[in-house]
Amino acid sequence: QLQLQESGPGLVKPSETLSLTCTVSGGSISSSSYYWGWIRQPPGKGLEWIGSIYYNGSTYDNPSLKSRVTISVDTSKDQFSLKLSSVTAADTAVYYCARHYNYVGCGYFDYWGQGTLVTVSS
Amino acid sequence: DIVMTQSPDSLAVSLGERATINCKSSQSVLYSSNNKNYLAWYQHKLGQPPKLLIYWASTRESGVPDRFSGSGSGTDFTLTISSLQAEDVAVYYCQQYYSTPLTFGGGTKVEIK
Repeated sequence: QLQLQESGPGLVKPSETLSLTCTVSGGSISSSSYYWGWIRQPPGKGLEWIGSIYYNGSTYDNPSLKSRVTISVDTSKDQFSLKLSSVTAADTAVYYCARHYNYVGCGYFDYWGQGTLVTVSS
Repeated sequence: DIVMTQSPDSLAVSLGERATINCKSSQSVLYSSNNKNYLAWYQHKLGQPPKLLIYWASTRESGVPDRFSGSGSGTDFTLTISSLQAEDVAVYYCQQYYSTPLTFGGGTKVEIK
């Protein structure tokens, strides 16, 4: 059974960089069929897609985040990571990693991590 | 960007009754080349990650009870829970995967009346 697990600091200071890692187990990240993505949910709000990465390093991200996003992959460890720079209180959210099918970079999310709350505060 | 609009924001339904959630996309998510609608539905319970219910607008994910069904095409879609159970209390989201950025609807909260 595929499992995804987010890890990283739960508290980040304003203007600093949020860094999270997602570890995939029970399957390989190096599959041609899937992308690996990040989604977040601010308190009391809906879901927002942040971006996704393919095992070869190809990425798509959400332009609404104004180029603050860097997503990388480490196939040797079956991990992918998110960096979000210049954070503000508006970036406080539960961050999920998830897998989606590769339909030219798009897809529905069939496996999700449990999510991790990241709070931006001094 | 494709904007996904859900209605209603919330609804309260009696146990055993039907719940209907609507989702409208700002442009068609139907790919003419394969006649598939790039639309998924998720159930999100408090403290848990979202769970995939439906993809291709009407294909039920493995293990999802058959009281959940999806319908619609083009820009208008519906998720129906035919007989609401207590464990169905959750927020439901639609998502388009026709193009990036991938976008979700605002969510519909389903409660027991």
